[in-house]
Amino acid sequence: EDQVTQSPEALRLQEGESSSLNCSYTVSGLRGLFWYRQDPGKGPEFLFTLYSAGEEKEKERLKATLTKKESFLHITAPKPEDSATYLCAVQPGGATNKLIFGTGTLLAVQP
Amino acid sequence: ETGVTQSPTHLIKTRGQQVTLRCSSQSGHNTVSWYQQALGQGPQFIFQYYREEENGRGNFPPRFSGLQFPNYSSELNVNALELDDSALYLCASSLGGVPYEQYFGPGTRLTVT
Repeated sequence: EDQVTQSPEALRLQEGESSSLNCSYTVSGLRGLFWYRQDPGKGPEFLFTLYSAGEEKEKERLKATLTKKESFLHITAPKPEDSATYLCAVQPGGATNKLIFGTGTLLAVQP
Repeated sequence: ETGVTQSPTHLIKTRGQQVTLRCSSQSGHNTVSWYQQALGQGPQFIFQYYREEENGRGNFPPRFSGLQFPNYSSELNVNALELDDSALYLCASSLGGVPYEQYFGPGTRLTVT
């Protein structure tokens, strides 16, 4: 069964304290792995797509990496405005391009 | 380029009633997917529409149904509402091919009492 597990469930950082969020997955025929940011009461905001092991993508203070079993979202020198829930999703093989989401990591960055 | 829009923003219904939620896809996108997000959970796939045809469905009962129109906008209908249907309903649009990024709207918060 296709499954996505994110850890930790919640993370509290001081401003400037770098860390990583983990997304481990089990999927038949991975077509892509996606990272989204979600603010309270709003829709997920697209961040990155990774397609193959070894791929990396960066955007400002965020860097996403992918292996055959997991992905990491590295946050370098975070700021309070980076506080949000970060969702990981996989797109399995098949006719539809549905996404299977993890439950997210709630990140709080304190000034 | 306009993003994904959804209406209404919030909705309160009584158990047993029916509800219709609406979504306008991002300009140029022909595929719409609907997700249900319960509090503290990740979004769960309900179904997808591609060029007005249902193109995949998640583990949701038949009382969840949908439509896609020629302009690629979409509706989600839920009959016989239950208390557990209370959630944030998200619409996402995408192109029907690679890349597969899905862009989400702001969601409709449905509360069933």
